[in-house]
Amino acid sequence: QQQVKQSPQSLIVQKGGISIINCAYENTAFDYFPWYQQFPGKGPALLIAIRPDVSEKKEGRFTISFNKSAKQFSLHIMDSQPGDSATYFCAASTSGSARQLTFGSGTQLTVLP
Amino acid sequence: NAGVTQTPKFQVLKTGQSMTLQCAQDMNHNSMYWYRQDPGMGLRLIYYSASEGTTDKGEVPNGYNVSRLNKREFSLRLESAAPSQTSVYFCASSMTETKYNSPLHFGNGTRLTVT
Repeated sequence: QQQVKQSPQSLIVQKGGISIINCAYENTAFDYFPWYQQFPGKGPALLIAIRPDVSEKKEGRFTISFNKSAKQFSLHIMDSQPGDSATYFCAASTSGSARQLTFGSGTQLTVLP
Repeated sequence: NAGVTQTPKFQVLKTGQSMTLQCAQDMNHNSMYWYRQDPGMGLRLIYYSASEGTTDKGEVPNGYNVSRLNKREFSLRLESAAPSQTSVYFCASSMTETKYNSPLHFGNGTRLTVT
């Protein structure tokens, strides 16, 4: 099973700060990179996704940066809010295949008020 | 619109007992999945059903069986529970299994403890 390595395991940020979560992968065949957000007691939900034909994708305060040569991608949360406190999972798959999604180990984000 | 509904929410089993986790979706999705979530290990695919009438093994299928009862329902069965199966189980669905713009929709999970 190909791995996706996610860091940090936990992150504490002040309200209004920037949260950055990083992921690295080995399989160069990966071509779909989603991020999922999970609140306590709930299932994960798709937050934002990117394909490697672009280096950056922004949706509101959430941005994915993608570095194909380094085989890394990251999630940036601008102006972090307490409501962003959740666990974030990066993932990767080939051909958009859901059954082939490989998830990172997760980052628990806490945004302090 | 309920989305993906899982029952039960919590369950405690003794080693060797059996149980079935139920999952139903009302989004007319073709594909359904069962994952387990363990601390520090992300989500790992147990079984999936690409379409009604088909099921296939995922990354960690040992000790589990599944049934795609109809398009809406996909159940996961533990025949003889073991402590290593203590986990949070998530059911998910997607419109298709092989399309980029077909994200997973998860239920809220079943927290299972095997003593």
